[in-house]
Amino acid sequence: DAGVIQSPRHEVTEMGQEVTLRCKPISGHNSLFWYRQTMMRGLELLIYFNNNVPIDDSGMPEDRFSAKMPNASFSTLKIQPSEPRDSAVYFCASSFQRGIDTQYFGPGTRLTVL
Amino acid sequence: GENVEQHPSTLSVQEGDSAVIKCTYSDSASNYFPWYKQELGKRPQLIIDIRSNVGEKKDQRIAVTLNKTAKHFSLHITETQPEDSAVYFCAATVSGSARQLTFGSGTQLTVLP
Repeated sequence: DAGVIQSPRHEVTEMGQEVTLRCKPISGHNSLFWYRQTMMRGLELLIYFNNNVPIDDSGMPEDRFSAKMPNASFSTLKIQPSEPRDSAVYFCASSFQRGIDTQYFGPGTRLTVL
Repeated sequence: GENVEQHPSTLSVQEGDSAVIKCTYSDSASNYFPWYKQELGKRPQLIIDIRSNVGEKKDQRIAVTLNKTAKHFSLHITETQPEDSAVYFCAATVSGSARQLTFGSGTQLTVLP
């Protein structure tokens, strides 16, 4: 199994631009999580999906952030417009939630907004 | 909701010594407690987990203990090696509930050669 796949691995953009981060969960997993990690705030859960349905998006910072999961094998996290304070590492994780719950993380996308 | 507190935030030990990281949780319904290790620039990776039907679990030099009454769990690393240097995160959730993991704030472990 290839594990959780994220793209791009690095993204450098200018303030005001739209940024789209992509994630492919482990095949067969039914839950997908988006996290943001910074030195100041640590690991924050932004949103998670169960069976492609958003369950909890209370961690999404503001309306500039949106996430979709159109099918079981793909999810996107979009920031529009981006701001310098959005600079962070964004991780996607997936799990099989039927009493197992172990989350497996992707390699992350390092986002830099200038 | 669940709240997980982790201590200490930084820990330095001499190579060969033991390291202990402690976490407390607030939701008595939580019954799944994983530990993740994150090396610099890498993703968090699961190193060991425990469920509430057991009090201790070991995997070579790593062990986790759970005290459900006191609502705390600990990670023990024995015979530490420089490659154990990393940030360690504890987490808690209610298994199978579709709730997310609640993570602790992390412990930076440094093993001095």
